[in-house]
Amino acid sequence: RKEVEQDPGPFNVPEGATVAFNCTYSNSASQSFFWYRQDCRKEPKLLMSVYSSGNEDGRFTAQLNRASQYISLLIRDSKLSDSATYLCVVHTGGFKTIFGAGTRLFVKA
Amino acid sequence: NAGVTQTPKFRVLKTGQSMTLLCAQDMNHEYMYWYRQDPGMGLRLIHYSVGEGTTAKGEVPDGYNVSRLKKQNFLLGLESAAPSQTSVYFCASSSLSGVSEQFFGPGTRLTVL
Repeated sequence: RKEVEQDPGPFNVPEGATVAFNCTYSNSASQSFFWYRQDCRKEPKLLMSVYSSGNEDGRFTAQLNRASQYISLLIRDSKLSDSATYLCVVHTGGFKTIFGAGTRLFVKA
Repeated sequence: NAGVTQTPKFRVLKTGQSMTLLCAQDMNHEYMYWYRQDPGMGLRLIHYSVGEGTTAKGEVPDGYNVSRLKKQNFLLGLESAAPSQTSVYFCASSSLSGVSEQFFGPGTRLTVL
């Protein structure tokens, strides 16, 4: 079993739609959680950190469920510019940061 | 600020050749990392450094060596390239380990024939 698992997608959604991604992790001692965004043939960039209480940044909402060991990302009112691959990232301690393989999102007009 | 830069952007090698990838950051970060990214897989850590003069092995270190002679630079060397090392290589840096954002360079696309 992979330490961090994501649905690879692709998710194809129309503009304005709401889309949600889930990510599960296997190490219950994991400490920090993030969502990164990666555009095609570009480097990953931090989208948002995920806090225990959940957090929101504009159209993006991230949630953490420690009991079930998953994190989620909700995108509301999708834009064409949201098309990208979203990477779930889990820090398990020390220098061990695990990157998920990513979920691809295509937003179409 | 340039952030994190990598050279070269693209390279084609023949099996058995050697090369060095250069990473530079201007954010005064202590921590630097080298990852490889392959289709269908997450970024995998090759080596990392917690400060000038220090290096450590990550998840997939075999076939690679690194050096951090200056705080701002982190070099990744391939001693004898193999086709299995065909990948996209990303360098990253961060101010703290694990809990802070990692800033990535634009990547190096390496093909080993």
